[in-house]
Amino acid sequence: SAVISQKPSRDICQRGTSLTIQCQVDSQVTMMFWYRQQPGQSLTLIATANQGSEATYESGFVIDKFPISRPNLTFSTLTVSNMSPEDSSIYLCSASRRSSYEQYFGPGTRLTVT
Amino acid sequence: TQLLEQSPQFLSIQEGENLTVYCNSSSVFSSLQWYRQEPGEGPVLLVTVVTGGEVKKLKRLTFQFGDARKDSSLHITAAQPGDTGLYLCAGEGYLTSGTYKYIFGTGTRLKVLA
Repeated sequence: SAVISQKPSRDICQRGTSLTIQCQVDSQVTMMFWYRQQPGQSLTLIATANQGSEATYESGFVIDKFPISRPNLTFSTLTVSNMSPEDSSIYLCSASRRSSYEQYFGPGTRLTVT
Repeated sequence: TQLLEQSPQFLSIQEGENLTVYCNSSSVFSSLQWYRQEPGEGPVLLVTVVTGGEVKKLKRLTFQFGDARKDSSLHITAAQPGDTGLYLCAGEGYLTSGTYKYIFGTGTRLKVLA
């Protein structure tokens, strides 16, 4: 298993600003993923972060808006840039080891944009 | 585009009743996972099924992967209030880069009444 922490746990931000969310895993993992979730709804994948290469973004998400870093095998960041109220959501990171078919989630970051 | 449809979307039952949640797709997945999520927390992995036709049991929960690896079901026997939560299935798919990602189902919100 893996234990994942996220910072911040929640934030209230003003329109037009940017927020960087940090995701730390307690052990080395192959893949890290970033998701967005509206309360009570399912998860939407934003991008896949592979160490040593650029993140792979899903349709509807672009690097300029959601830049991602993956500097090593235990850490990743997601930045939400030039925020608008439509970016208000819960942002979740997860980590996975291919060999175990398992995926573990952080507690999420609740973002409110005013 | 790979989609996973879950049914039912909402389910409210009395303690002690049985229930089945379905996860269906037209796409084939390498593996399929089931998660339970409670408010304010990240999803928690319940099980991963890998082989077509596979059946796994976790106490009162029974998971089945379809023979064609396109669908899955979760059956709960004698539901308890502690089973209340958002149940999510997630299928593993491959990216053109050779890495992989998870596609989440639409979710089933379960409430078990005491």
